[in-house]
Amino acid sequence: EAQVTQNPRYLITVTGKKLTVTCSQNMNHEYMSWYRQDPGLGLRQIYYSMNVEVTDKGDVPEGYKVSRKEKRNFPLILESPSPNQTSLYFCASSLVVGGYTEAFFGQGTRLTVV
Amino acid sequence: LAKTTQPISMDSYEGQEVNITCSHNNIATNDYITWYQQFPSQGPRFIIQGYKTKVTNEVASLFIPADRKSSTLSLPRVSLSDTAVYYCLVGNSGTYKYIFGTGTRLKVLA
Repeated sequence: EAQVTQNPRYLITVTGKKLTVTCSQNMNHEYMSWYRQDPGLGLRQIYYSMNVEVTDKGDVPEGYKVSRKEKRNFPLILESPSPNQTSLYFCASSLVVGGYTEAFFGQGTRLTVV
Repeated sequence: LAKTTQPISMDSYEGQEVNITCSHNNIATNDYITWYQQFPSQGPRFIIQGYKTKVTNEVASLFIPADRKSSTLSLPRVSLSDTAVYYCLVGNSGTYKYIFGTGTRLKVLA
């Protein structure tokens, strides 16, 4: 089954404690991205990756890092989480073919930083 | 990147046809229009994509006028399970920074 898998689904952590949210896709997609979703603000893109070893900032990259060492994995790293990073996070992947860019999203990771 | 504007919310009744319009005045020649649906605490799900005129699939229809400055997502005979947030996106294969915006919150009433 084609899917994007995020882990963990729920995470409560303390300020400053480094954490990683993993994202894996089994569709051989080149493009992957991370979003955060906050009430009233919709989905905002954090980082994206066009292929292995190619990443770039989205609209809200501050406080986040990513890496793309393998095509299927795109982890989101919070080196020193702060309470304003409490949010619902989504990973997505897509196969870019001409103008067709259907994105597949993971189930989401609800992060709480206290 | 073309900015999109959608109504914040809409209410409808079961069995009715719902039309959600998205404005994208600055759409580029090679941009496509894509709509996603999102249920609470779930990731968005692709509904439909089009470039011009009309596109129809088993879920919805997408109407795009000749000037392409707007588009309308049409959901035929909605049910309670269609209650969700609907996002309109504009971009192309070279557009890697997808802007979802705040979407349109559709509430279907019994």
